[in-house]
Amino acid sequence: AQTVTQSQPEMSVQEAETVTLSCTYDTSENNYYLFWYKQPPSRQMILVIRQEAYKQQNATENRFSVNFQKAAKSFSLKISDSQLGDTAMYFCAFMKHGGGSRLTFGEGTQLTVNP
Amino acid sequence: GAVVSQHPSWVICKSGTSVKIECRSLDFQATTMFWYRQFPKQSLMLMATSNEGSKATYEQGVEKDKFLINHASLTLSTLTVTSAHPEDSSFYICSARDTMGDLYSNQPQHFGDGTRLSIL
Repeated sequence: AQTVTQSQPEMSVQEAETVTLSCTYDTSENNYYLFWYKQPPSRQMILVIRQEAYKQQNATENRFSVNFQKAAKSFSLKISDSQLGDTAMYFCAFMKHGGGSRLTFGEGTQLTVNP
Repeated sequence: GAVVSQHPSWVICKSGTSVKIECRSLDFQATTMFWYRQFPKQSLMLMATSNEGSKATYEQGVEKDKFLINHASLTLSTLTVTSAHPEDSSFYICSARDTMGDLYSNQPQHFGDGTRLSIL
């Protein structure tokens, strides 16, 4: 079974600054995917970024980038130039290849961006 | 594309009644749908996985008779909370996997906007 751990229940950052959210996972699988989801106060689940485990290059989506360390089983999310609209709950998620799209979520990190 | 509609968005009902929540994939076919429960400030907890035309697979600890799931077509799954009690009050989220699966889609699951269920 897979587990995903987010050790930071809450974080805050000033607008325009950079913040990094941590995520570690445990799996015996070699082929898998990792995701970061954002859940704003509206509670809609929004996919922020995706990483394939077989790719060494870290994924980047505009202001969002990840630091994927496969050997360490670490998958952190960096948000640059933080905006007020980034305030949300962020979930790290794991999906094994061929797993029927089943996601295993971490506990979540509540990020607050302060003006 | 890949829109999942969940209805109702908010429902309040009396203890003892049954409540049905619908999850529809609007522009794609979903052979598999997932139902989650989320308590305030907590993560999504998978309740069950429903597959079109077959019985749902429930996670350990989820009461099958309390949470009835039906996936009668490729675009519709329903969750019925039977004989609801205040402790069933929660936020319920559905998601759908499109038939292209996780290999070809950028998103493994497309999420509905959730249903806030309040039992008085």
